[in-house]
Amino acid sequence: AQKVTQAQTEISVVEKEDVTLDCVYETRDTTYYLFWYKQPPSGELVFLIRRNSFDEQNEISGRYSWNFQKSTSSFNFTITASQVVDSAVYFCALSEETSGSRLTFGEGTQLTVNP
Amino acid sequence: NAGVMQNPRHLVRRRGQEARLRCSPMKGHSHVYWYRQLPEEGLKFMVYLQKENIIDESGMPKERFSAEFPKEGPSILRIQQVVRGDSAAYFCASSPPTGKYEQYFGPGTRLTVT
Repeated sequence: AQKVTQAQTEISVVEKEDVTLDCVYETRDTTYYLFWYKQPPSGELVFLIRRNSFDEQNEISGRYSWNFQKSTSSFNFTITASQVVDSAVYFCALSEETSGSRLTFGEGTQLTVNP
Repeated sequence: NAGVMQNPRHLVRRRGQEARLRCSPMKGHSHVYWYRQLPEEGLKFMVYLQKENIIDESGMPKERFSAEFPKEGPSILRIQQVVRGDSAAYFCASSPPTGKYEQYFGPGTRLTVT
């Protein structure tokens, strides 16, 4: 069965600090997809990234970067030089090929960036 | 290209009433998913539909909940005889026929049962 664990319930940093959000997943499939979503205080879900299980290349997008390591079943998300607008709940999610396309979400990490 | 639309954005129902939540997928998308986010929790999958077909309803509560995606019109999530525990945010997502792993979420409907 698929499972996603985000061990950090809440993180608080000061603006301009770097912060890493952890995500560990469990799956028996060899083909699967990993996602990160952002949920700001307004409540909508904002798609950030999708990676498939065959692509372990790390990715950088502006201040965001993702570190995918199959050996440790982790897909961590780093925000460099955090800003107040980064304050949100961040969800990691997993989709297995054999389970159809439904997403299994972690419990989320509440990130607060203080000025 | 409009995104996924959900209405209403906020819905208040008294215990025992029915709640109907609507989701219009993005243009060209034929797959719809519903997720529920209970207060202070993550999102949980409920049901996956294609036009006129329920593909996976493994996350739907056995009673009072139903979903449809007719040939014409939006997808509807129906909750009969609502109880306080149904209070949550309900999110709809859609994906294109050839990209079922690309799910785009709507803004959600926040249901409050009084």
